[in-house]
Amino acid sequence: ETGVTQTPRHLVMGMTNKKSLKCEQHLGHNAMYWYKQSAKKPLELMFVYSLEERVENNSVPSRFSPECPNSSHLFLHLHTLQPEDSALYLCASSQVVQETQYFGPGTRLLVL
Amino acid sequence: SQKIEQNSEALNIQEGKTATLTCNYTNYSPAYLQWYRQDPGRGPVFLLLIRENEKEKRKERLKVTFDTTLKQSLFHITASQPADSATYLCALHTGGFKTIFGAGTRLFVKA
Repeated sequence: ETGVTQTPRHLVMGMTNKKSLKCEQHLGHNAMYWYKQSAKKPLELMFVYSLEERVENNSVPSRFSPECPNSSHLFLHLHTLQPEDSALYLCASSQVVQETQYFGPGTRLLVL
Repeated sequence: SQKIEQNSEALNIQEGKTATLTCNYTNYSPAYLQWYRQDPGRGPVFLLLIRENEKEKRKERLKVTFDTTLKQSLFHITASQPADSATYLCALHTGGFKTIFGAGTRLFVKA
């Protein structure tokens, strides 16, 4: 295991639901990331946090809302998603931004 | 436009042979480049990092080369094994807060 955990591992939600993805890192890192991975597409960077401050917001729709309460935890709050948001959502952490990233196992999200 | 290209077609090789995967990029000047392995339904796992002033890096059966003139990195797995079957991603660090990932190449090693 990489020291980065994500829950839940699988999530099915309707377009009107509100849900949250959770990520926790046990590596003492100062940077955390959310990525979206769709089939046969490159990882898409969504958000970057450094020392609990958001430093990158990669033109992500407002129906995705990140939260970083401390350097070990990262959340992605989901609201009124669309079917095209179905994907694997990956959390990662690194000692500092731009260093090697350690990924969690991902949450497989299906929006109906 | 800025692009990273990895061979989208799967690479099939026989056990024991050397697998060579390619990562080409345009319009970037990366400070360093990384290779990750990803198994189905799992997150990527870091393998190797090579800096712009390094030509080659090795780790056990893995070797990475980096040619900033050709804008290309090659990733080699020698004496390949069925357990090496996975998708391999290259990633560029271009400055700022972003890491840019390629779409990956799927490798199948047949016994």
